Amino acid sequence: AAGVIQSPRHLIKEKRETATLKCYPIPRHDTVYWYQQGPGQDPQFLISFYEKMQSDKGSIPDRFSAQQFSDYHSELNMSSLELGDSALYFCASSLRLAPNEQFFGPGTRLTVL
Amino acid sequence: AQKITQTQPGMFVQEKEAVTLDCTYDTSDQSYGLFWYKQPSSGEMIFLIYQGSYDEQNATEGRYSLNFQKARKSANLVISASQLGDSAMYFCAMRERGEGGGADGLTFGKGTHLIIQP
Repeated sequence: AAGVIQSPRHLIKEKRETATLKCYPIPRHDTVYWYQQGPGQDPQFLISFYEKMQSDKGSIPDRFSAQQFSDYHSELNMSSLELGDSALYFCASSLRLAPNEQFFGPGTRLTVL
Repeated sequence: AQKITQTQPGMFVQEKEAVTLDCTYDTSDQSYGLFWYKQPSSGEMIFLIYQGSYDEQNATEGRYSLNFQKARKSANLVISASQLGDSAMYFCAMRERGEGGGADGLTFGKGTHLIIQP
């Protein structure tokens, strides 16, 4: 079965640079979620989208923005990167009418030097 | 206050034994969902099992079952007949009815690092 696709899988950036992470949800899933997992930490919810509209907002820094497109894929844009942004970034997807299933992608490992 | 509490930072279990991973939660919502995920050392988050707050039966998925005690606000994961491949971090998570209208983010516990010994 098709899973959530994230790209790139690994990304290395310098401080103050920008980064864009992409997420392609499971086919027919209309809702995407972004999470950040720091080293040795639990995942922290950042933001979610349904039908291109922001649905729920967690601890997303102001330096970050995200959007969902008409084909349901989503992008997380990160600017003025800081060392503390180094983390594993997960995208998850679900059907809004079936939120009991929230499937995660493999994650993008971002390293900020 | 912690929304999700996992009191076992690490556990060592012999292969083939059953394992119970503890999870308690805190919410004032009547409608919520509880999830368990497995995260191996490779890093991916694998969905294991889900329990809705209105579900009267405990959820089961193969070797995984969820011992849901609503009055005690606990949602323990039980793994029967553990295998070496079960060694991983296990996270309990909760979805509350927030402003997301069904697209609400999950709140995770700190996780339990389970090691299965041969």
